[in-house]
Parts: sequence; C-alpha cells; structure tokens
Amino acid sequence: GNSVTQMEGPVTLSEEAFLTINCTYTATGYPSLFWYVQYPGEGLQLLLKATKADDKGSNKGFEATYRKETTSFHLEKGSVQVSDSAVYFCALTSGGSNYKLTFGKGTLLTVNP
Amino acid sequence: NAGVTQTPKFQVLKTGQSMTLQCAQDMNHNSMYWYRQDPGMGLRLIYYSASEGTTDKGEVPNGYNVSRLNKREFSLRLESAAPSQTSVYFCASRIAGGRKEQFFGPGTRLTVL
Repeated sequence: GNSVTQMEGPVTLSEEAFLTINCTYTATGYPSLFWYVQYPGEGLQLLLKATKADDKGSNKGFEATYRKETTSFHLEKGSVQVSDSAVYFCALTSGGSNYKLTFGKGTLLTVNP
Repeated sequence: NAGVTQTPKFQVLKTGQSMTLQCAQDMNHNSMYWYRQDPGMGLRLIYYSASEGTTDKGEVPNGYNVSRLNKREFSLRLESAAPSQTSVYFCASRIAGGRKEQFFGPGTRLTVL
C-alpha cells in the first residue's frame, strides 16, 4: 500500500533561516504529491503540488521537486518568517476511484523572531 | 463562496452518546471525505463519497456511519461515542476529473469523556 514518511519534528528555526522538511514515499503507479499546511486552530490548506516526475511545485516561497528516482518530495524555503510557523503535511494520492490521500504524520515548524 | 464548512466547531460527549457532524461544500465538488486527525498520526480516512448517492469505507470506519444527503452535504454519525473517538475531524471535498487536490474544512474538535 501507499505510505509517506516525513521528518520528525518539532523543527525550530530563527527568522530568515533556510528550511528543509524531508518527505519520502512508497506508492503504486504514478502518484501525485502534495504539501499541506495547517496553521494553529485551522484546517489544512494546500501549499503546493506536483503531479509527475521532475515537476517542481512552488507557492509563497516554498518549493518541492518530485524526485521519482529517490521517491522524495522535500519541502524547502530559503528564508522563513514567523508567520510560517505551522504543521506541514506531506501527502500523496495514486488516483483510483476515490483519490484517497495518504498523509505523513506532520512536522511542526516554529520560527522565532 | 464559503468553501467547505463544518459544524459544530467543538463538542463534548459522554461515552455512549450519539451525534452527527455536519459538512457542506459550495464548490460543486463531486467527491467528499471524512478524516480524523490524532497526535503523531497524521490524517486517516474514515469514509468517503465518490459521488452523490455512493459511500465507501476508508482506513478507520469502525464506530462511524455516513450519509451523502445531496451533492453539497456529507454527514458523519457516531452512534455510540467512545473515548477512542476523541479526535479532530476534518471534512474535505474534491472536484471530479483529473484535479486530485482536496479542499478541507476548519475541523470539529470532539472530546468523548
């Protein structure tokens, strides 16, 4: 079956630091990959996505590249802000009849001023 | 355009009580999903509805029932709540076709005493 493994948190950074959150996956077929973000007390918001190998998803300064050879989709940002403090989830879907999302366990990021 | 809405936002139940969590979307999406979020577990799929009139079990369906009332609404019912069902519940929806991302509601925080 499908599975997603992302780096354990929590991650604490200073403002303007470089961020990497690792995500690797196991899936059948050709999955689509996502990063969702959950701000405190809120639901999940789609941050970025990639639907095929070598695609780069980007949004709000965050980037992630779909690497089929290493089955990875690492999230990066060059300069984090306090407002980026949130829980980040890596997820995938292989499609099928329900397009069920399989999530990683989430990584809590705290950015200090 | 409110997106995905959920009611209630918070709920406390006693063991054995029943309740229904409501979800509605105004994006004309075909598919709808119920997930639960537990600390350190990511999100796990409870039930989904690929289209109006159909429902199917996800990973953790035991103790729950669902109703796809119409295209807009998808409710989750706990017939006899147990402390193990203490969780945050998220509803999500997805448009049909090749678009695979899901859009999430703000969540319902449920505590079962």
